[in-house]
Amino acid sequence: EIVLTQSPGTLSLSPGERATLSCRASQSVRSNYLAWYQQKPGQAPRLLIYGASSRATGIPDRFSGSGSGTDFTLTISRLEPEDFAVYYCQEYGRSRTFGQGTKVEIK
Amino acid sequence: EVQLLESGGGLVQPGGSLRLSCAASGFTFTRYAMSWVRQAPGKGLDWVSAITGSGDDTYHADSVEGRFTISRDNSKNTLYLQMNSLRAEDTAIYFCVKGDAASRPYFFDYWGQGTLVTVSS
Repeated sequence: EIVLTQSPGTLSLSPGERATLSCRASQSVRSNYLAWYQQKPGQAPRLLIYGASSRATGIPDRFSGSGSGTDFTLTISRLEPEDFAVYYCQEYGRSRTFGQGTKVEIK
Repeated sequence: EVQLLESGGGLVQPGGSLRLSCAASGFTFTRYAMSWVRQAPGKGLDWVSAITGSGDDTYHADSVEGRFTISRDNSKNTLYLQMNSLRAEDTAIYFCVKGDAASRPYFFDYWGQGTLVTVSS
């Protein structure tokens, strides 16, 4: 089973700043089968990125994904107030495991 | 518009059973794999079970293997999760989730709002 480790656990930033979230896999992720989800309090998760770098339908272009192999990154170029949330990565090639999440909070 | 509406959650005693349902609409149900993902209070996401679009193949996390059974009725556009021998650690919100393909690999492109299962005496 692939284990995903997200860092940092919490990111404290101000609106307008850039957010960089990391997801590291214990084994190489086949064919970049890596997705990112956003979850706001009291809501279901929402798909942001799939295939490591493809934005899902309706996702603003301030969200971008990159990486390959074992190291992946979600970048939010300029934080909007609605972007403060918890973000999860998921490997969907071999297993369906999620990372433990990164909380992006207002500084 | 894709809609996933879960039902069947509630309070159950340890060792008891519960069946969750998920009514799907807005897409051709049989063409897509479906899953259940849960989230314990204040915790992260935990994949539970998955089923292919045809229903021929099912998969369960080790933590629920032998206790939970996922199934689907493609004539009713409905997904199920039969949960037996429930434990306190099964307490969570259970999300019904749509895959983006009939079989692996697929990511989760739509999520229901979830139904709360509480296992307590």
